[in-house]
Amino acid sequence: SQTIHQWPATLVQPVGSPLSLECTVEGTSNPNLYWYRQAAGRGLQLLFYSVGIGQISSEVPQNLSASRPQDRQFILSSKKLLLSDSGFYLCAWSRPRAGKNIQYFGAGTRLSVL
Amino acid sequence: SQKIEQNSEALNIQEGKTATLTCNYTNYSPAYLQWYRQDPGRGPVFLLLIRENEKEKRKERLKVTFDTTLKQSLFHITASQPADSATYLCALDAIHNSGYALNFGKGTSLLVTP
Repeated sequence: SQTIHQWPATLVQPVGSPLSLECTVEGTSNPNLYWYRQAAGRGLQLLFYSVGIGQISSEVPQNLSASRPQDRQFILSSKKLLLSDSGFYLCAWSRPRAGKNIQYFGAGTRLSVL
Repeated sequence: SQKIEQNSEALNIQEGKTATLTCNYTNYSPAYLQWYRQDPGRGPVFLLLIRENEKEKRKERLKVTFDTTLKQSLFHITASQPADSATYLCALDAIHNSGYALNFGKGTSLLVTP
């Protein structure tokens, strides 16, 4: 069966510090991978998605970047965090080339930038 | 612009009653519509998918309807239980920079009281 791991679960970082959140998927090959942010009282905002190694699509201009160094690894990064980067970050995967695009989410990372 | 609208007000119902949640959309021509459940501090979990040519879909106590003329989906939970308390999100496929990804509504919070 497929599983998705996301860590850390909680992170408190000072403004201006770097960020690295990691997500890995097991039990499937060549998944589509996604990073979302959910701010308090707001919906899920798609940040990045990837259909393959090194292929990253950015949805919103921002202080963040994403990388996919391996087939089942997706990393969200920032060089210098802003207060506005606080939120709940979710990684998700879906089956490749599947029209239904059902997404399976990780447990999320609660990021607080102080 | 594309919009997915869910009732932002929380829905409070008594145990045993049927909960009905609404999802309205504009400027989409979806082939599918999906519903997810999200518990506090957790990632969303896929519940049901309904195709554009399906009027109704059922899974245990859950029922989803899809009216492409009204551009609306209704999500029903029959014989509701306190364990059904959560936020429910609807989602639609949308074209993004280099492929399809999901757009999510902001969700409706459901509280089932004993």
